[in-house]
Amino acid sequence: EPEVTQTPSHQVTQMGQEVILRCVPISNHLYFYWYRQILGQKVEFLVSFYNNEISEKSEIFDDQFSVERPDGSNFTLKIRSTKLEDSAMYFCASRQDNSYNEQFFGPGTRLTVL
Amino acid sequence: DQQVKQNSPSLSVQEGRISILNCDYTNSMFDYFLWYKKYPAEGPTFLISISSIKDKNEDGRFTVFLNKSAKHLSLHIVPSQPGDSAVYFCAASGVTGANNLFFGTGTRLTVIP
Repeated sequence: EPEVTQTPSHQVTQMGQEVILRCVPISNHLYFYWYRQILGQKVEFLVSFYNNEISEKSEIFDDQFSVERPDGSNFTLKIRSTKLEDSAMYFCASRQDNSYNEQFFGPGTRLTVL
Repeated sequence: DQQVKQNSPSLSVQEGRISILNCDYTNSMFDYFLWYKKYPAEGPTFLISISSIKDKNEDGRFTVFLNKSAKHLSLHIVPSQPGDSAVYFCAASGVTGANNLFFGTGTRLTVIP
């Protein structure tokens, strides 16, 4: 069964460093998302991506964040200068097309900023 | 921003009995609702969904009920099994063009053998 994959599973970084989180969405899906979950809190939407551009972003997704689909399979989230409060689980999700509302999630990347 | 709320952080049920998980929402523009199940160190797994034009959707042991006038939905699991023990998230979509999901805080279900 096709699934969303994410790498790495755990990333530890120093405050101020850049990190890139990687995702491979399900191959025939057209919509891609990043969410995050700070420990003990709910899952929050960060950004959605369709047709090679950002379609929506939340107020969390400030200038320190960027997304890219560098090739036909990968979807990346970059945090330019990490802050302590960026420590969270980051989930990538994908959705097939407009006739389906279900989003399928990857296993997540745990980001720890020291 | 509490557009989707799950007021019960935890629920314990005996194996074989019914589990009922509840969810309330405030935004009447939501038109699609989903339940996800999550195990520790894993991503949310899609379980079942319902469109706002329906009031019930059933898939095996899982049934979701939607009461639009009360802005309330519930997930029924019957019979409950120990493998159902997980955190269950309610989510809603339809208020943005990208259909991003708004999640509740989750309910931890424990099914006691």
